[in-house]
Parts: sequence; structure tokens; C-alpha cells
Amino acid sequence: AQTVTQSQPEMSVQEAETVTLSCTYDTSESNYYLFWYKQPPSRQMILVIRQEAYKQQNATENRFSVNFQKAAKSFSLKISDSQLGDTAMYFCAFMKQNSGGYQKVTFGIGTKLQVIP
Amino acid sequence: SQTIHQWPATLVQPVGSPLSLECTVEGTSNPNLYWYRQAAGRGLQLLFYSVGIGQISSEVPQNLSASRPQDRQFILSSKKLLLSDSGFYLCAWSVAPTGRPNYGYTFGSGTRLTVV
Repeated sequence: AQTVTQSQPEMSVQEAETVTLSCTYDTSESNYYLFWYKQPPSRQMILVIRQEAYKQQNATENRFSVNFQKAAKSFSLKISDSQLGDTAMYFCAFMKQNSGGYQKVTFGIGTKLQVIP
Repeated sequence: SQTIHQWPATLVQPVGSPLSLECTVEGTSNPNLYWYRQAAGRGLQLLFYSVGIGQISSEVPQNLSASRPQDRQFILSSKKLLLSDSGFYLCAWSVAPTGRPNYGYTFGSGTRLTVV
């Protein structure tokens, strides 16, 4: 079974600064996907960024980028130029690549990020 | 474009009362559908998933049940609520995998259930 570990329950960052959220996972699979989801106070879960394990290049979405270290099973999220709207709970998630059927996503317990003005 | 609707947004129910939460998806066919629960201060727990009409799989034994009467409709139910059923319930959908890429889940806006 896959596990996802987020070791930072809470973090804070000054507005406009950069912050990195950590995530490690454990799996015996070689093909899988990794995601970061954001859950603001509204509780809506929003996909921030995704990474396909077969791609060595780190994914980037505007101010959000990841550091994907497959051998180390590490998948950290870097937020640059932090904005007040980035205040949210961030969940790291793992999905095995299936050929059919449902796709179970395993979530970490989340990191609460507070952006300070 | 695909959208997912979940209602109600909030619900306060007495212990022992029934429950029905509904989720519908638009703009896609034959989605995989999921119900998750998020207890306060905790991560997301998968409750049920469905890969097709009438096909329901349960991840954990509990007081809840799920049904999928139509392709894009997913319902979470209980005959008698317990205090421990309180939490935030999220519906999600994903495209049945036919190859790369995979965009993971798209979530509904959630239902906050308080059992009193």
C-alpha cells in the first residue's frame, strides 16, 4: 500500500517570500502520478500542480513548482512570491497508474500554510 | 467543460435521522466517482467509489452507504446518523483511465455535516 507523509503540520511565510512544503511517499510502483491540492478556508479542493513519475522534468504552474526526486521518493512544493490568497491547507497526493478501473488517490494529512501580510 | 455539483453545502442533523447527500457531474460520461470524508484536523478518507452505474465499492465499514442510480449521479446515504458521522464530505470524479495524461480528481465544493 502507498503512504504519503507530510511532516510539516503548519508553516508560515511572509507575503512575497518563497516557501517550500515537503512531501515524501512510499510505493513499489514505477508508474504513478503525484499531485498537490490546495484547500482554502472555503474548503473547496483545488488542484495546484501534478507530476507524472515517468517525467524527469519538474512540473511548474506559474508561481508553483515542484522538486520531484523519484529515487528519494520526495515531492516538495515551492511557492514563489507568496500571496495572501495562498493561505490554505495543502495536500500532497499519490495516484497509481492503472490500466482500468478506479484510481485510488492516497492523500497526506496536509500542511496548513499561513501567508502573513 | 466538466463541472461537479454537490449539495447541500451545510447540514445539521439530529442523531438517528437519515442522510442523503447528492453529487452530480456534467460534461463527461462514465466518470469514476468518489466520496471522501474529512474529519476535523485530519486528512481525507475514501469512503466509496464507483466505476459505473450500480457499481459501488466501500473502502471502510461504516454507517453510510452509497448509490449510483445514473451515470453522473452519486448519492451518499445513511438510515440513522451517528455523532461520529460529523465531518466534511467531498465528492470527486475522475476520468476512467485510457492512458496518459491523468489529471487526478476534480472535487465538489463539499458538504459540512454536523450531527447533534
